[in-house]
Amino acid sequence: AQSVTQLDSQVPVFEEAPVELRCNYSSSVSVYLFWYVQYPNQGLQLLLKYLSGSTLVKGINGFEAEFNKSQTSFHLRKPSVHISDTAEYFCAVITGGQNFVFGPGTRLSVLP
Amino acid sequence: DAGVIQSPRHEVTEMGQEVTLRCKPISGHNSLFWYRQTMMRGLELLIYFNNNVPIDDSGMPEDRFSAKMPNASFSTLKIQPSEPRDSAVYFCASSLVGGGETQYFGPGTRLLVL
Repeated sequence: AQSVTQLDSQVPVFEEAPVELRCNYSSSVSVYLFWYVQYPNQGLQLLLKYLSGSTLVKGINGFEAEFNKSQTSFHLRKPSVHISDTAEYFCAVITGGQNFVFGPGTRLSVLP
Repeated sequence: DAGVIQSPRHEVTEMGQEVTLRCKPISGHNSLFWYRQTMMRGLELLIYFNNNVPIDDSGMPEDRFSAKMPNASFSTLKIQPSEPRDSAVYFCASSLVGGGETQYFGPGTRLLVL
């Protein structure tokens, strides 16, 4: 069964600094990979996804992620964060079927 | 598009009472998912439907939980009887199989069982 690891439960960063949120997955077959963001008291919104093709995926709000098959990783990056990026970020994987497996989440706190 | 609609947004009830959560998926989507989110356990998949048929209910905690999808535009998640440990945020999501697999989430129902 696949699993998703987000090693950092909390990431504090100053405004305008770069950030990387790490995601690793375990699966021996082809996967689809997703990053979702959850703002306080809201549902999850899709940031970006990798289905196939280019391993560098660009999403909304200036975020991007790179799929690395050999390292089974899908890290999320943003070169310059804003206060409004403060939220919980979830990595998710799906292999066939429709069953998403979500990581435990990383709470990004952007400090002024 | 209105997105996924859930009701109620907040529910406070007493232990032992029946609770019914409702979800209207995005029109045209053929898969629907129910999740539960708590601080302790994170986001858990409870059950999902494909073309109104339950495909995987292995995440349903126990017999007190049941879910139905009588048609493509409506689903319910029922808890009977409710217990304090059921307090959580319950999310509904829908997707289109073969359409990029993205799940679109509703705003959630925040349930508090006293």
